[in-house]
Amino acid sequence: GDSVTQMEGPVTLSEEAFLTINCTYTATGYPSLFWYVQYPGEGLQLLLKATKADDKGSNKGFEATYRKETTSFHLEKGSVQVSDSAVYFCALSDRGAQKLVFGQGTRLTINP
Amino acid sequence: DAGVIQSPRHEVTEMGQEVTLRCKPISGHDYLFWYRQTMMRGLELLIYFNNNVPIDDSGMPEDRFSAKMPNASFSTLKIQPSEPRDSAVYFCASSPSGGYSGNTIYFGEGSWLTVV
Repeated sequence: GDSVTQMEGPVTLSEEAFLTINCTYTATGYPSLFWYVQYPGEGLQLLLKATKADDKGSNKGFEATYRKETTSFHLEKGSVQVSDSAVYFCALSDRGAQKLVFGQGTRLTINP
Repeated sequence: DAGVIQSPRHEVTEMGQEVTLRCKPISGHDYLFWYRQTMMRGLELLIYFNNNVPIDDSGMPEDRFSAKMPNASFSTLKIQPSEPRDSAVYFCASSPSGGYSGNTIYFGEGSWLTVV
């Protein structure tokens, strides 16, 4: 079945560091790909998405490019802030499945 | 525009008691999802509805769990009897269509359940 694999956490960085959180997927069709973010005590919020190969999703300085050849959707940010501390989830939705399949989440902590 | 509204936000109950979690989706959304989040298993889809009809309940752990959607603006997830291993955060989410095609699924803030 469909699945998403994220890099193991937790990840701890200093403010202004470069961030990469790896995400790879397995799907039978041509999925849409998402990154969601969960701040402490809150629900999940959509951060960005991409619906087809080579699309780049971006929001709040975060970017991710849909790479069909490597089945990846890595999340990047050039300069992280303390306020980016959260849990990040990669997810996919396959054609016809009408639901999200999530990775295990990566906890990110940014130190001042 | 109000988001997905869940209640209660926090519940502590004793083993064996019945627990009912409630959800009001965003108006106009025709898909509703129930997810469970635990440290061990991450985010799991329990069940989802389309136009109030259950489409996939393969994630429902066992017969102790049941979900209903009597109308477009209300859904419940019931656990009877509850067990300590049911302790988790339960999220309700809704979407104007499925997650496919990039349509966003909107999550509520979750119901934090502790069974002692």
